[in-house]
Amino acid sequence: EAGVAQSPRYKIIEKRQSVAFWCNPISGHATLYWYQQILGQGPKLLIQFQNNGVVDDSQLPKDRFSAERLKGVDSTLKIQPAKLEDSAVYLCASSGLAGPSQETQYFGPGTRLLVL
Amino acid sequence: AQSVTQLDSHVSVSEGTPVLLRCNYSSSYSPSLFWYVQHPNKGLQLLLKYTSAATLVKGINGFEAEFKKSETSFHLTKPSAHMSDAAEYFCVVTGPSGSARQLTFGSGTQLTVLP
Repeated sequence: EAGVAQSPRYKIIEKRQSVAFWCNPISGHATLYWYQQILGQGPKLLIQFQNNGVVDDSQLPKDRFSAERLKGVDSTLKIQPAKLEDSAVYLCASSGLAGPSQETQYFGPGTRLLVL
Repeated sequence: AQSVTQLDSHVSVSEGTPVLLRCNYSSSYSPSLFWYVQHPNKGLQLLLKYTSAATLVKGINGFEAEFKKSETSFHLTKPSAHMSDAAEYFCVVTGPSGSARQLTFGSGTQLTVLP
C-alpha cells in the first residue's frame, strides 16, 4: 500500500512571500491532518479534516494559514505571508474512519520550510 | 485535556545494551498511547500502540512498552540496542474515544547508540 505523499520535500522562501504544500493521503483514508514540527519539539496539530470538512482548526493561525481538501482526497496547506517563525517541518498524516485504522495515523515524509 | 511528558531529552547507550525511554502521561479518561520513531529526514513511523487491551505491548524492531495505570507511565524498552535504533522517539497520547482523535506529542527523546 502506498504511503502518505507530500511535496515539495524542501522549500526556502523569504519572509512575506507565500508558499503552498501538498498532501495525498493513503487511499481510502477519510481523515487527514496537518502538523507543524518546529526544530526540537514534537509535532503540533494545525488542522484536521474528515472527508472534505474541517473537524478542528483551533490551532491554525488563520490570519496567515489556510488549508483545503476540496474533494475529500488530497489537501493543500498555504502560508501567506510567511514569517521567520514559520520555519518548521510540515507533516501530513491520514487515518481511516473505523476499526484499527482509525486509531493509527500514518505520516508522510514532511516538507521542510525555511523562511529567510 | 491530555498531556505527555518525556522525562529525558537525550539518551545515550552502547550497542548491545538495553534501552529505556521514559514517558509519563496525564489524562482524565482511559487513553490510547503510542510510540513513534523519527529518523533524520524521514517521516514518523509507528513503533507500537496501547489501546486498552494487554498492558505489555510489543512493537516493531524488538521494542516493547508497558502501560502502568498506577504510575501513569508508558516507558519504551528494548533489550539490546542496535546502531540503526539511533533516532528521535515520541510518546503520544490521543483524545478520548469519540473525539477528533487528536494526537498530543511529547517533546521527544533523542537516542544515540554508541559503537
